[in-house]
Amino acid sequence: DTEVTQTPKHLVMGMTNKKSLKCEQHMGHRAMYWYKQKAKKPPELMFVYSYEKLSINESVPSRFSPECPNSSLLNLHLHALQPEDSALYLCASSQGWDEANTEAFFGQGTRLTVV
Amino acid sequence: AQSVSQHNHHVILSEAASLELGCNYSYGGTVNLFWYVQYPGQHLQLLLKYFSGDPLVKGIKGFEAEFIKSKFSFNLRKPSVQWSDTAEYFCAVNPEGYNKLIFGAGTRLAVHP
Repeated sequence: DTEVTQTPKHLVMGMTNKKSLKCEQHMGHRAMYWYKQKAKKPPELMFVYSYEKLSINESVPSRFSPECPNSSLLNLHLHALQPEDSALYLCASSQGWDEANTEAFFGQGTRLTVV
Repeated sequence: AQSVSQHNHHVILSEAASLELGCNYSYGGTVNLFWYVQYPGQHLQLLLKYFSGDPLVKGIKGFEAEFIKSKFSFNLRKPSVQWSDTAEYFCAVNPEGYNKLIFGAGTRLAVHP
């Protein structure tokens, strides 16, 4: 199984809503990532979890709150988002860049629209 | 700061034409290098990767890339493109010791039959 599964595939939410994005992998990877991709732009790193601990937060606003309940799951909790937060949110996993010859596997993403 | 530059933002080719997409990175140390492809409406897929060894690496679907360390480059090539290669191509770099993947801006390739 070389899949990273993200749910939901599409999400429309209001600016006062609270929602969560979910990501799951069963490859035994110990690093998991959230990226944000706006239309016609490259993915931008948001958060990195390494061994279930947050290791990188790329100055992401607090209305995005990541959570790693266990080594297979990664959540992104959303609250009070703005329309400009509408984007494709990608989850990825890897063995961990501290190991040699590692590569990242990406999920299909959640297309989020904030209205 | 580390960065990745892709020189061509939009490329338009006819089928059977040859392709070369440029990628340069700024980091003086050891790097792992990747090319990802994103077909319309689909997720990122790994085309090929370079970790060490032979600087000419072959990937899926007839793509190859050459790592030239002295030029900090990792250009993607394909001798003869097909209509189905229409997609966006991202070069990405993992600098050794950094727990992240840095993407270039992407190159949008359109292949006309």
